[in-house]
Amino acid sequence: GAGVSQSPSNKVTEKGKDVELRCDPISGHTALYWYRQSLGQGLEFLIYFQGNSAPDKSGLPSDRFSAERTGGSVSTLTIQRTQQEDSAVYLCASSLDFGGNEQFFGPGTRLTVL
Amino acid sequence: AQSVTQPDIHITVSEGASLELRCNYSYGATPYLFWYVQSPGQGLQLLLKYFSGDTLVQGIKGFEAEFKRSQSSFNLRKPSVHWSDAAEYFCAVGSPGGSYIPTFGRGTSLIVHP
Repeated sequence: GAGVSQSPSNKVTEKGKDVELRCDPISGHTALYWYRQSLGQGLEFLIYFQGNSAPDKSGLPSDRFSAERTGGSVSTLTIQRTQQEDSAVYLCASSLDFGGNEQFFGPGTRLTVL
Repeated sequence: AQSVTQPDIHITVSEGASLELRCNYSYGATPYLFWYVQSPGQGLQLLLKYFSGDTLVQGIKGFEAEFKRSQSSFNLRKPSVHWSDAAEYFCAVGSPGGSYIPTFGRGTSLIVHP
């Protein structure tokens, strides 16, 4: 079956612009995660959605970052007024429920802020 | 709070040699433990996981890992490395009944020489 998909695969933007990154999780997966992976770094947790519960936003680095998940499926991560330090690969993952289950990762979106 | 340490940033081995990647965790009880692999330009793929029971876990691609409670370790091993194993490897820990967000190590980059 289809895995987790993300779009775009690459995004180049200018400093100060807003960007939207999209994630399509595996159908039926109630949990969805966003991570940021910077060069030479591990995965930095950003935000977690579980079913209809309020999302866990504890990993968002600033108020320029926000995310939503519509209809318990597709999620969009929005970065407003992008900065050069936002350049990274943004990974989305989904799982059947909570973190005890395997996470299935998308290929990521590589964001470059000039 | 849970944490994961992967002490080796880079590991270089010759093709056909054995491999051991180290992972140490910090958690008050028996955690969920995972190893993921990330090939260049790809998302993360689960190699194996430990929840309970047998402390030696077999995974895909010929990998195995052993949970050692006394050492708070979950090292990944492979008896004979193939050139296609060159990738980034991430250890992760999840907390049963606690945070739904797995914590990832910073990763170990595996380089395989012919």
